[in-house]
Amino acid sequence: QKEVEQNSGPLSVPEGAIASLNCTYSDRVSQSFFWYRQYSGKSPELIMSIYSNGDKEDGRFTAQLNKASQYVSLLIRDSQPSDSATYLCAVNTGGRGSTLGRLYFGRGTQLTVWP
Amino acid sequence: KAGVTQTPRYLIKTRGQQVTLSCSPISGHRSVSWYQQTPGQGLQFLFEYFSETQRNKGNFPGRFSGRQFSNSRSEMNVSTLELGDSALYLCASRRGGETGELFFGEGSRLTVL
Repeated sequence: QKEVEQNSGPLSVPEGAIASLNCTYSDRVSQSFFWYRQYSGKSPELIMSIYSNGDKEDGRFTAQLNKASQYVSLLIRDSQPSDSATYLCAVNTGGRGSTLGRLYFGRGTQLTVWP
Repeated sequence: KAGVTQTPRYLIKTRGQQVTLSCSPISGHRSVSWYQQTPGQGLQFLFEYFSETQRNKGNFPGRFSGRQFSNSRSEMNVSTLELGDSALYLCASRRGGETGELFFGEGSRLTVL
């Protein structure tokens, strides 16, 4: 049973603050990790992917991966009200070049950024 | 570059009917996956197709089926609809062989009455 757990939230932060979203996974062979953002009534949108231990930065977003601890996180710096959405953590057991596999999703963390 | 296109976007069916949903992946993407999203269960994997072959299947009953065509377009079918099949059905595509990143379409929202 492959499980992906996210802090349940909801998470509420003021505009300009750092929002921290956490995710743990149960399958040690997991290789690929993704963060999706889903606005209410919309479909999930990929915002970050990470494959190696350490940090990966993209604009205001930083993904952190620690395979030994089976932990992946997403930091959103200078949070904006437009960041208010549900953030989904997803894990894939295939490597970067894999054509197979499926994504296991967490239940999501609802983030609200208030002005 | 066009994204993943799903049709229809909304549909209403009654119990016992069947439904077919269509998905056109991003140009050049050869892998198509289908997911069901409900408030109670979250995102649940249905199946994945690559080069017209089903590569992975989730824990759904046989009423849920799919196929992929030679142009990578995919369809999924749900027969003998039940009230619990009401959900957002999401199609996602990926290049395959290069990256595991999955890109979702807008979804087809099915309501079963």
